[in-house]
Amino acid sequence: GAVVSQHPSWVICKSGTSVKIECRSLDFQATTMFWYRQFPKQSLMLMATSNEGSKATYEQGVEKDKFLINHASLTLSTLTVTSAHPEDSSFYICSARDRRLGRTLASSGNTIYFGEGSWLTVV
Amino acid sequence: KQEVTQIPAALSVPEGENLVLNCSFTDSAIYNLQWFRQDPGKGLTSLLLIQSSQREQTSGRLNASLDKSSGRSTLYIAASQPGDSATYLCAVMRRVITQGGSEKLVFGKGTKLTVNP
Repeated sequence: GAVVSQHPSWVICKSGTSVKIECRSLDFQATTMFWYRQFPKQSLMLMATSNEGSKATYEQGVEKDKFLINHASLTLSTLTVTSAHPEDSSFYICSARDRRLGRTLASSGNTIYFGEGSWLTVV
Repeated sequence: KQEVTQIPAALSVPEGENLVLNCSFTDSAIYNLQWFRQDPGKGLTSLLLIQSSQREQTSGRLNASLDKSSGRSTLYIAASQPGDSATYLCAVMRRVITQGGSEKLVFGKGTKLTVNP
């Protein structure tokens, strides 16, 4: 099956520094990738939708200058948490849509694959 | 605004028991509904996807139903096993008209299932 790889799996950084998380589709091309954040015992909350070659679309309440998203190729999207603070500590997870499939909206749910997630701890 | 609620938040059962997890959503204008499994500290594994025109889907010991008009879905797990212990997430796919017709998955908080040997 399709594989989405996230790196790093976990990272600890000092407050005020920036950290980059990568999301790669390993055996398919992804025109769209999604970034989620999950706090303990909470839902996955969509942060932004990343489209290859264009600017990401951020959800309401998500600071675009703090969470920089770059989707430079069909297989890679990156999320950079800038000037991280302890409250940014969370589980970040990406998902990717296979461009070959899901040509109809109704079937698009079949073709979204999730990464393993990245634990960020800011100290 | 679409909201997804899962009940119960946690469930502990003895091995072999059949169980039902519940999911409700506030806006019936969905494309599909998915059930995912999430192991501690891990990503998501898709279990079942029900299109909006379907009533149920089955995979092995899992059966998911969808009643779109009432905004409800259930995940039935037969003959539960300790390996079924995980958090089960329900998510609905909806369209975001303001974003060029893109789709969004809206998740519930999940039900944490523990199956005791």
